Amino acid sequence: GAVVSQHPSRVICKSGTSVKIECRSLDFQATTMFWYRQFPKQSLMLMATSNEGSKATYEQGVEKDKFLINHASLTLSTLTVTSAHPEDSSFYICSAESEGPANYEQYFGPGTRLTVT
Amino acid sequence: AQKVTQAQTEISVVEKEDVTLDCVYETRDTTYYLFWYKQPPSGELVFLIRRNSFDEQNEISGRYSWNFQKSTSSFNFTITASQVVDSAVYFCALSEVFIQGAQKLVFGQGTRLTINP
Repeated sequence: GAVVSQHPSRVICKSGTSVKIECRSLDFQATTMFWYRQFPKQSLMLMATSNEGSKATYEQGVEKDKFLINHASLTLSTLTVTSAHPEDSSFYICSAESEGPANYEQYFGPGTRLTVT
Repeated sequence: AQKVTQAQTEISVVEKEDVTLDCVYETRDTTYYLFWYKQPPSGELVFLIRRNSFDEQNEISGRYSWNFQKSTSSFNFTITASQVVDSAVYFCALSEVFIQGAQKLVFGQGTRLTINP
């Protein structure tokens, strides 16, 4: 089956620094990737939709200048949390979409746990 | 707007009991997909099932079964003869289908299922 990886799996950073999270589709090309955020004991909330070669589409309430998304190739999307603050501590999950035999299939990465101190 | 409601925040049962997780959704689309995901403590989302809006047949996969009823906008999930390994948070999700196939997922709040030995 299709595999999506995320790196790093865990990261701790100091307040005010920036953190980059990578999302890779390992064995398929993904025109579209999604970024979700999950606070403890809460649901997943879509942050943005990332399309290869174009600007990401952000959901309402998500600061595009704070959460920079770059989808530079069909296998890689990155999320950079700029000037991170403790309230940005969360579990970030990406997903990648490929065209499968039964319409478009979406595959999730294992997630990145960000802790901002 | 699309919405998924999982009214049961937490469920706790004794091993070998059957348990049903409820999911009610709202959408104005005539074409949509419904999903169930399992999220164990590790955090990685495990895909369980996808059902499109035109297929109301119930599905059984081992101890898992799903009941899709468009008349009540429900997509319930039953685990038969539950096991301790079934303990996890379960999410129901709904997606709309865009022209290019990209599927934005809207997740329910999740149901934390605990199976006690």
